[in-house]
Amino acid sequence: NAGVTQTPKFRILKIGQSMTLQCTQDMNHNYMYWYRQDPGMGLKLIYYSVGAGITDKGEVPNGYNVSRSTTEDFPLRLELAAPSQTSVYFCASRPSSSGGFDEQFFGPGTRLTVL
Amino acid sequence: AQSVTQLDSQVPVFEEAPVELRCNYSSSVSVYLFWYVQYPNQGLQLLLKYLSGSTLVESINGFEAEFNKSQTSFHLRKPSVHISDTAEYFCAVSGYSSASKIIFGSGTRLSIRP
Repeated sequence: NAGVTQTPKFRILKIGQSMTLQCTQDMNHNYMYWYRQDPGMGLKLIYYSVGAGITDKGEVPNGYNVSRSTTEDFPLRLELAAPSQTSVYFCASRPSSSGGFDEQFFGPGTRLTVL
Repeated sequence: AQSVTQLDSQVPVFEEAPVELRCNYSSSVSVYLFWYVQYPNQGLQLLLKYLSGSTLVESINGFEAEFNKSQTSFHLRKPSVHISDTAEYFCAVSGYSSASKIIFGSGTRLSIRP
């Protein structure tokens, strides 16, 4: 199993450009998440999904969009990039179960800089 | 609502010295507790978790954490650290429901000096 994969690893965008961060997992997990990590701020949840066709906002959704057409893929879209979106982005997945005790599996991250 | 507070943003220690990374949580309901580790330029990975039973849980690389319900704490300890333990450590909580989201603390950067 490859686990959770993310592409690209690095990207530099100009203000106003758009891009899609890709995330794929091969563990058949229903739950998937997008986080951003800023220095000293820990992880902030952007969007999450509990299954194909179902997405919901997290703590910091403004400026982002997601879709979940398949169990495996959960892309994150930035429509009009702003310097405030400079961050490291992590995708994660978790198996659905009868309780919240399962761990999340994280991808290696995408480092995005908006200039 | 739940929250997690990691009291130290950075902890420098000498190699082979003991270390404690502090974590306190707040929740009106029972929770599961986790410690995740992030090595440089990598994603987070689970270090250990407390679900129920014995309040002391251990990881395979010598870390341990103790759940203290009365103090709402879940501090992480290691009696002797190695250079390879250099990483950022995140405490996290999750509710019992399968729909619960994991709430992460702000992280503690552990730096080991030779």
